[in-house]
Amino acid sequence: AQSVTQLDSQVPVFEEAPVELRCNYSSSVSVYLFWYVQYPNQGLQLLLKYLSGSTLVKGINGFEAEFNKSQTSFHLRKPSVHISDTAEYFCAVTPRGTQGGSEKLVFGKGTKLTVNP
Amino acid sequence: NAGVTQTPKFRVLKTGQSMTLLCAQDMNHEYMYWYRQDPGMGLRLIHYSVGEGTTAKGEVPDGYNVSRLKKQNFLLGLESAAPSQTSVYFCASSYTGMGPETQYFGPGTRLLVL
Repeated sequence: AQSVTQLDSQVPVFEEAPVELRCNYSSSVSVYLFWYVQYPNQGLQLLLKYLSGSTLVKGINGFEAEFNKSQTSFHLRKPSVHISDTAEYFCAVTPRGTQGGSEKLVFGKGTKLTVNP
Repeated sequence: NAGVTQTPKFRVLKTGQSMTLLCAQDMNHEYMYWYRQDPGMGLRLIHYSVGEGTTAKGEVPDGYNVSRLKKQNFLLGLESAAPSQTSVYFCASSYTGMGPETQYFGPGTRLLVL
């Protein structure tokens, strides 16, 4: 089974500051990795995902994440945040190969990012 | 193209009452999912469907039933609501059930059971 740990439940930052949201996962098999974002009173939408290849993945709205297999991490970063980035961010994993499937997507508990002026 | 829509947006029930949540998608997706979101818990899968006429249990199926009579619709039913079912319910869909597939979420239904 897979599990996801988002190390910070809340992250407050000032506008234009850099931010890193941390995600660690546990799995006995290889996984696909995702970051989803939930803006206030909305559903989740995909920010980015790591499938294979380069360990640095670029997503929408200037976000990027780096897959580190040895540390089983997939941290999300943005060099300069805006007020509009205020949202809850969810890291998620699903196993690769025959053991995988979209119904096996496991979410972390979420990190609330608050960007202050 | 509306994507994934959910009806109703908000509902208050009394313990023991029943209700049905409706999810509709216009993207011709095969797979559909129902999740519940509770504070500090992330999202947990209730039931899912791999195609019209098929349903399967997820992580937390107890107290819920589902049906997928049409490809574009996925219904979630609560036969006898309990306060523990107070939550925000999200429907999602994906084109296939492959692992890398992106899931597309609806705006959610807030349910309060008194």
